[in-house]
Amino acid sequence: QVQLKETGPGLVQPTQTLSITCTVSGFSLTSYYMQWVRQTPGKGLEWMGFIRSGGSTEYNSEFKSRLSISRDTSKNQVFLKMNSLKTEDTGVYYCARAHWYFDFWGPGTMVTVSS
Amino acid sequence: DIRMTQSPASLSASLGETVNIECLASEDIYSDLAWYQQKPGKSPQLLIYNANSLQNGVPSRFSGSGSGTQYSLKINSLQSEDVATYFCQQYNNYPRTFGGGTKLELK
Repeated sequence: QVQLKETGPGLVQPTQTLSITCTVSGFSLTSYYMQWVRQTPGKGLEWMGFIRSGGSTEYNSEFKSRLSISRDTSKNQVFLKMNSLKTEDTGVYYCARAHWYFDFWGPGTMVTVSS
Repeated sequence: DIRMTQSPASLSASLGETVNIECLASEDIYSDLAWYQQKPGKSPQLLIYNANSLQNGVPSRFSGSGSGTQYSLKINSLQSEDVATYFCQQYNNYPRTFGGGTKLELK
């Protein structure tokens, strides 16, 4: 069955870089778009960006300058990297499978930005 | 960006009651709308896509309707397991945007 799971650092210091891995099973990354969404106390659910089944990426302009999404299809993993973290980036980060609507989500990983 | 405005922000209803949640888009999204249910501590789960198509496995008491800029989610015969926060999301344009959520509680 389709499964997604995010793995993140938990705590990140301000100005540092966040790295999260999404490991998937039950489907191929070369057949589906993979999206990143976060949920913060300040802004609720925010779409961050995605990587297409062919490997190209699109980003929300809110994050474009500091966000990078990549993948390793041999390991069934998708990666999110975001630099210059601020306290407002504290929240839960989700990967989700979607071409349009998000039909499967991971459980999310909580990220706290604090010194 | 397309702004999604949900109403009400919170709602209290009794078991067996019918509930309606509204979602207004700032421009025509041509039925490219999804509804999600999120229970505390869990990720959102897809209920409805294309404004009115029921996702596999979702109980038939959930239904969606609407067109243009106005959409709604209806829950018939409210059950205790429906206590959750509900979000709408448009996928007509980038960036994908979500409504602020409607928190549904039992009266």
